[in-house]
Amino acid sequence: SQTIHQWPATLVQPVGSPLSLECTVEGTSNPNLYWYRQAAGRGLQLLFYSVGIGQISSEVPQNLSASRPQDRQFILSSKKLLLSDSGFYLCAGTPSGSTDTQYFGPGTRLTVL
Amino acid sequence: GENVEQHPSTLSVQEGDSAVIKCTYSDSASNYFPWYKQELGKGPQLIIDIRSNVGEKKDQRIAVTLNKTAKHFSLHITETQPEDSAVYFCAAFTQGGSEKLVFGKGTKLTVNP
Repeated sequence: SQTIHQWPATLVQPVGSPLSLECTVEGTSNPNLYWYRQAAGRGLQLLFYSVGIGQISSEVPQNLSASRPQDRQFILSSKKLLLSDSGFYLCAGTPSGSTDTQYFGPGTRLTVL
Repeated sequence: GENVEQHPSTLSVQEGDSAVIKCTYSDSASNYFPWYKQELGKGPQLIIDIRSNVGEKKDQRIAVTLNKTAKHFSLHITETQPEDSAVYFCAAFTQGGSEKLVFGKGTKLTVNP
């Protein structure tokens, strides 16, 4: 079965610093991968999704970027963090052969000070 | 594009009672409807899903119903327990469309012992 790993679990960063969040998928191949952000007590905002290596679609123009250097690795980055980048970042992926069922990772809590 | 509305935003029930959460969607081409449970500080967990060729699906105390004509689907939890307390999200997916899940804004369910 598929497992989504996210690293780190929590992160406190100063405004203006860079960011790199990593998502890796185990137990499947060629998944669709997604980055979501969730503000405190709020819903899920889709940031980026990828249907294959090097293929990234952006949903919301903002201070963040995503890359997919390997089939089962998805990275969320920023060159300079803003206070508004604080939130709970979730990676999700689809199991092999599926394009609709998504399973989520445990999330990364990012606080920008 | 697809729009998913979820009601109520908060729901409080007594242990042993039933809980019902309702969602409506706008795109008649949507064909997959998952429900997620998110506990505090964790990633959403897929608890049940239904496809458009099925009207109802059950898994122990949880059931989902789908009315394609009215474009709404509901989550039913029977014999609620305190551990059912969480935020529940519904979502809709359109095959052959944007390959994205569109989420409702969530329902915070509290089960009082």
